Amino acid sequence: GENVEQHPSTLSVQEGDSAVIKCTYSDSASNYFPWYKQELGKRPQLIIDIRSNVGEKKDQRIAVTLNKTAKHFSLHITETQPEDSAVYFCAASLYNQGGKLIFGQGTELSVKP
Amino acid sequence: DSGVTQTPKHLITATGQRVTLRCSPRSGDLSVYWYQQSLDQGLQFLIQYYNGEERAKGNILERFSAQQFPDLHSELNLSSLELGDSALYFCASSVGGMVQGASTGELFFGEGSRLTVL
Repeated sequence: GENVEQHPSTLSVQEGDSAVIKCTYSDSASNYFPWYKQELGKRPQLIIDIRSNVGEKKDQRIAVTLNKTAKHFSLHITETQPEDSAVYFCAASLYNQGGKLIFGQGTELSVKP
Repeated sequence: DSGVTQTPKHLITATGQRVTLRCSPRSGDLSVYWYQQSLDQGLQFLIQYYNGEERAKGNILERFSAQQFPDLHSELNLSSLELGDSALYFCASSVGGMVQGASTGELFFGEGSRLTVL
């Protein structure tokens, strides 16, 4: 089955700096790669996603890149703000088969003012 | 508000007991997923149902079971509880299915049920 590895487990940046979180997946059939943000005690919420037919997607300060050959994808957050502090999870699935999401271990991002 | 409703929000019980967690998916969603999140742990996939049928199974213990009812709500039953079962249990839903274009892939999570086993 699918296995997703996520690094780093913790990341601390200064406000205004960029943050990058990286994930690798094992199942080459996976075609959907979302990123979820989870604030303390809250539910995970989708912040951006990408499908396997696209190499890069951007939404304001957030971007995701996908390298299908290497089976890895990354989340980039620019101009970080204190409210970006949270745990971020990457995941992989077969979206067009209503597939389950397999999540990485999570990255705790801390943005210091 | 994701549209996914989970009850109860909090539950405290003793070792050896049995509890039932309930989930109502978003209107129109046919797939329900259960995830377990222990302290400082990631989101571990337990089980998925689609339109009443079990679709996929993850690392779900034999002491745990689930079902999806005709009205599409789902229940996760946890029995012979141990201290290590203390966790936040999330339910998520999606359109799901094999119909092309019907699923965007996004899962919508409920607020979770926090289980504490003493």
